[in-house]
Amino acid sequence: GQQLNQSPQSMFIQEGEDVSMNCTSSSIFNTWLWYKQDPGEGPVLLIALYKAGELTSNGRLTAQFGITRKDSFLNISASIPSDVGIYFCAVPRTDSWGKLQFGAGTQVVVTP
Amino acid sequence: DGGITQSPKYLFRKEGQNVTLSCEQNLNHDAMYWYRQDPGQGLRLIYYSQIVNDFQKGDIAEGYSVSREKKESFPLTVTSAQKNPTAFYLCASSRGGPSSYNSPLHFGNGTRLTVT
Repeated sequence: GQQLNQSPQSMFIQEGEDVSMNCTSSSIFNTWLWYKQDPGEGPVLLIALYKAGELTSNGRLTAQFGITRKDSFLNISASIPSDVGIYFCAVPRTDSWGKLQFGAGTQVVVTP
Repeated sequence: DGGITQSPKYLFRKEGQNVTLSCEQNLNHDAMYWYRQDPGQGLRLIYYSQIVNDFQKGDIAEGYSVSREKKESFPLTVTSAQKNPTAFYLCASSRGGPSSYNSPLHFGNGTRLTVT
């Protein structure tokens, strides 16, 4: 099946630093989604990308749809304590509409 | 406000007992999903339903069962046949339909099940 390789697995950063994470795959996709999961809660959609090369921002978050359509990147600028959580990339599965394939997640810990 | 409600937040059961997790949505979504989350493994699909009275197995359906008698509700039963049931369970919904193949999922806040 589709495999998404998300890295890094975890990040420990200081408040104010920038954060970068990425997802890669051997398959081509037409959509990349980025979710954030706060501790003890369900994931929430941050950014949706629908076009190769697209660069989209949501506040301090910026995500890019790789030009090869096989990868995507998420950047967080000037991190704050509430950025802590797990960030997931996701793509639509090819075996059935409506289903998503998720990366393993990037755990972000922000220290003051 | 529209959303997805999962209950209870925490659930404790003895090994060998079946347990049912509740999921209700008032988003008028056709499709609903159950995911299991274990540390470091992301989200794995257990079951999904694209329309009322129909559901399909996901990637890890063994030891689980579901029903979809109403559009708003998609309960998940963790049976005694599930070998490692302790996990965080997430319910989600989406608009559904072929035209929404890339429709984002809306998640509930999860149920943490502990089986001892």
